[in-house]
Amino acid sequence: QLVVTQSPSASAPLGASVKLTCTLSSGHTTYAIAWHQQQPQKGPRYLMTIKSDGSHDKGDGIPARFSGSSSGAERYLIISTLQSEDEAVYHCQSWGATRVFGGGTKLTVL
Amino acid sequence: QVQLQESGPGLVTPSGTLSLTCSVSGASISGSNWWSWVRQAPGKGLEWIGEIYHSGSTQYNPSLKSRVTISVDKSKSQFSLNLTSVTAADTAVYFCARSPRGPFDSWGQGTLVTVSS
Repeated sequence: QLVVTQSPSASAPLGASVKLTCTLSSGHTTYAIAWHQQQPQKGPRYLMTIKSDGSHDKGDGIPARFSGSSSGAERYLIISTLQSEDEAVYHCQSWGATRVFGGGTKLTVL
Repeated sequence: QVQLQESGPGLVTPSGTLSLTCSVSGASISGSNWWSWVRQAPGKGLEWIGEIYHSGSTQYNPSLKSRVTISVDKSKSQFSLNLTSVTAADTAVYFCARSPRGPFDSWGQGTLVTVSS
């Protein structure tokens, strides 16, 4: 069964970089994932898709300071030069026979 | 640029049926995309409910399959969600979303549905 797992929270200072992790379940470690950003009181916004080889395709208008990478079963979202508006919940999503989400990571910008 | 807009009652009585519609603009609902419903209970993560293709093919979350029906009206560029036998656990913000078979690349703003008498 496809499952994606995320840490519930992360924090980093304004202007710093942060790396969020999404882990794919055993047997699904070559799957692609997508990252979505959900700012407070808003709907999700598609950020990018990350494949197992680390290549990533970003959504329209996503700033260059958002990037992604991959290692084994883990898929990463890297945000550099953190800004206050980056404080949000970041959702990991994957797909196979069904579509699944992780529990979301709440990012706090200190 | 595609836009999705959810609409429907904000209050549903327990044991009743939740019905929502998603209106699609800026893109053809008959293109090579799947159209999904996703929900988010208060303070919780996202949960995929199900999806439909313009041909009428559907796929549902196994945990909700017995209560869910998703339909499409191509003439109105809309797709709809029916969820039967609702309880308080179905209280959530409901989103519609588009997927070119993979990631959701466009989302609606969401609509809150409360199940209460």
